[in-house]
Amino acid sequence: SQQGEEDPQALSIQEGENATMNCSYKTSINNLQWYRQNSGRGLVHLILIRSNEREKHSGRLRVTLDTSKKSSSLLITASRAADTASYFCATAYYNQGGKLIFGQGTELSVKP
Amino acid sequence: EPEVTQTPSHQVTQMGQEVILRCVPISNHLYFYWYRQILGQKVEFLVSFYNNEISEKSEIFDDQFSVERPDGSNFTLKIRSTKLEDSAMYFCASTQGFSTDTQYFGPGTRLTVL
Repeated sequence: SQQGEEDPQALSIQEGENATMNCSYKTSINNLQWYRQNSGRGLVHLILIRSNEREKHSGRLRVTLDTSKKSSSLLITASRAADTASYFCATAYYNQGGKLIFGQGTELSVKP
Repeated sequence: EPEVTQTPSHQVTQMGQEVILRCVPISNHLYFYWYRQILGQKVEFLVSFYNNEISEKSEIFDDQFSVERPDGSNFTLKIRSTKLEDSAMYFCASTQGFSTDTQYFGPGTRLTVL
């Protein structure tokens, strides 16, 4: 299966703490994208990291990519209650067209 | 900021009925996608569409499904005869380039089949 796997499946932290979510994938990729989904709502794009990149930042978000380990991580620093959501990684595999293969997601709960 | 829009936000239908889900992709985008997410499960790819034809479809996308870009702006997903198991959130997405660009998702249509 090419489907990415994320861990942990659920993460509960206090406001102000950092949250780290991990994603693994199976074969070569063009890019990996992280999305946030509030309960029952749409998918909000967070960051895209290409296969030749190792780290990207956007505000309080930091994404890393390790192609040798076929893994990526999303770090949210100084978390807020509003960060409570499900976070998904989605991979665009090399030679698989443009479709995205989503992981199961990490459900993040940030307690005030 | 341009965004992908979808209508309706929620559709309730009886089993066996036809439904059409509508999407307006971002205007200068060229590649269009439909995905679905059954409640509590991961997002699954259904179909990709480029240059007025299907580029790729998953095994979920059987003969009951079809897609169309009837004009320069709309992109539709039709389910000919809905089944209970078609109940899901359906997302449309679009991207400017092929496989290297951000896919922007619409807010989704929640389809409930009774």
